[in-house]
Amino acid sequence: TQLLEQSPQFLSIQEGENLTVYCNSSSVFSSLQWYRQEPGEGPVLLVTVVTGGEVKKLKRLTFQFGDARKDSSLHITAAQPGDTGLYLCAGDRSQGNLIFGKGTKLSVKP
Amino acid sequence: EPEVTQTPSHQVTQMGQEVILRCVPISNHLYFYWYRQILGQKVEFLVSFYNNEISEKSEIFDDQFSVERPDGSNFTLKIRSTKLEDSAMYFCASSRRGLGEQYFGPGTRLTVT
Repeated sequence: TQLLEQSPQFLSIQEGENLTVYCNSSSVFSSLQWYRQEPGEGPVLLVTVVTGGEVKKLKRLTFQFGDARKDSSLHITAAQPGDTGLYLCAGDRSQGNLIFGKGTKLSVKP
Repeated sequence: EPEVTQTPSHQVTQMGQEVILRCVPISNHLYFYWYRQILGQKVEFLVSFYNNEISEKSEIFDDQFSVERPDGSNFTLKIRSTKLEDSAMYFCASSRRGLGEQYFGPGTRLTVT
């Protein structure tokens, strides 16, 4: 069974701090997605990374796909209370069958 | 911006009843998916659908489940005889190219009593 492990599970920080969350697997994925999910809602796609070593930036968010396409990280610079939420990574094994991690629950206090 | 829509937002049904969950994928997308999320747990893949047939299905997607694209816009998930353990959020997703970049709907909360 392929697993995606996310860490940390919970993260509570002050506004203005930087943070990094991780997504790791022993398996290779053809692509990896990062989503954000609010309670009772569907996951909202933030980014897709496809190439090993790829780095993508979305305003204050930086996403990186590991060289071996087994792991990924999400770095947030100068976190704001609006960044509070559940961040999910999801790997594509084949034909779009996404394997999700359990998520990192981020709380940013003003 | 185009989005995936799902109806109903909440469905309550009795054990043993049939339910149909409806989705309207993004209009130029060709690949469609159903996932479920039991409260407090991970999002889990159920089934993928392309060119009017199932591409892949998980162990969860047994004979009680079926999917259909009855017309050019809707994509449905039917559970024939619901069980208590079917209670979950069900998410529809669609993709233009059949790769990992999938867009999710807001979900249907299914409660089986």
